[in-house]
Amino acid sequence: SQQGEEDPQALSIQEGENATMNCSYKTSINNLQWYRQNSGRGLVHLILIRSNEREKHSGRLRVTLDTSKKSSSLLITASRAADTASYFCATDTGGGADGLTFGKGTHLIIQP
Amino acid sequence: DAGITQSPRHKVTETGTPVTLRCHQTENHRYMYWYRQDPGHGLRLIHYSYGVKDTDKGEVSDGYSVSRSKTEDFLLTLESATSSQTSVYFCATAQGATNEKLFFGSGTQLSVL
Repeated sequence: SQQGEEDPQALSIQEGENATMNCSYKTSINNLQWYRQNSGRGLVHLILIRSNEREKHSGRLRVTLDTSKKSSSLLITASRAADTASYFCATDTGGGADGLTFGKGTHLIIQP
Repeated sequence: DAGITQSPRHKVTETGTPVTLRCHQTENHRYMYWYRQDPGHGLRLIHYSYGVKDTDKGEVSDGYSVSRSKTEDFLLTLESATSSQTSVYFCATAQGATNEKLFFGSGTQLSVL
């Protein structure tokens, strides 16, 4: 079953606006990551936040993590048409070699 | 896509035929993964490898087998393809076992008719 669940499933905003996506998960984690997938392509790693961190920034990306609520949010500021993609959260629950567990994704559309 | 090549990129096959998908990496990453991506399910782990000849099952391994005879190659085999295996298959690699970052290939679109 899915560890992470993104919300909303789809989001459409105007270029220049901020986009916020949320991820909820069920069990304790070592870290949580966000990935982007452009249409017809593989996933690309965006940012990682560890369980002992509360907020992290990378360029126009801001990620928060609330381990008490088992939730994370990804904020993309000043959105651009090129940000149109699907965004996935992924959780590492054990730090082992068995990879990450991915959510179903949020499809973000930036209207020009 | 970080030195990861998947082949073929597209394949159409018939039910009951064997199919092998190949993942080749030039990053010398120890860990390799096969995921499938389906609408409504997101990405699900099929099999993974933590070294040459060392593999293990993931969440949805039934009907699939893997082999890793060299660090750079990870093969996924559908012994007898079924329509439920129609999907997009992604290979991913990781440098270490801490799962701190996965690198993905561009995917293989497989259609089983």
